[in-house]
Amino acid sequence: GQQVMQIPQYQHVQEGEDFTTYCNSSTTLSNIQWYKQRPGGHPVFLIQLVKSGEVKKQKRLTFQFGEAKKNSSLHITATQTTDVGTYFCAGPDGGTSYGKLTFGQGTILTVHP
Amino acid sequence: DSGVTQTPKHLITATGQRVTLRCSPRSGDLSVYWYQQSLDQGLQFLIQYYNGEERAKGNILERFSAQQFPDLHSELNLSSLELGDSALYFCASSVERGGVSSYNEQFFGPGTRLTVL
Repeated sequence: GQQVMQIPQYQHVQEGEDFTTYCNSSTTLSNIQWYKQRPGGHPVFLIQLVKSGEVKKQKRLTFQFGEAKKNSSLHITATQTTDVGTYFCAGPDGGTSYGKLTFGQGTILTVHP
Repeated sequence: DSGVTQTPKHLITATGQRVTLRCSPRSGDLSVYWYQQSLDQGLQFLIQYYNGEERAKGNILERFSAQQFPDLHSELNLSSLELGDSALYFCASSVERGGVSSYNEQFFGPGTRLTVL
């Protein structure tokens, strides 16, 4: 079945440093979604990328979808303590129009003040 | 607040028991998804219902079952509980846009933390 891999699993940064997490799918994706889960919280939708090579920005967050639509990245510029949490990428099962998402293992971000 | 509600928030039970987790989706959302999140694992998809019908199944154990009722709320039933079933169980919902549900973001509830002793 489809696999979605994320690296790194953990990332510790000093406040103000940049952070990047990478996501790779074993299959071509129709779209990729990113979610953030704060400690003790539930996953919250951040963004969806649909087009090959798409780049979207949300303030200090930059999301990219690869040309082959098999990989994606999330980059945070000048991290803040409010950025702590686990960042998940998720892609729908290949070849299906159903809503089932396969989530990556997530990257746990710790920001030291 | 995502608009998705889950009850109970916490559940402590013993091995061999049966529990029911309840989820109410956001108003207007027809799809409900169930996920299991363990400490050492990410979000594992269990099952999806759309407008009362089972639509997709993940690695859901035979001891687990779910249903979606006419009012669109859903219940996840876990039976013959084992220690390894201790986890956070999330429900999520999404709206269908043009019938292509894979293009819809999912809204997660606060989760039910199940502890099996």
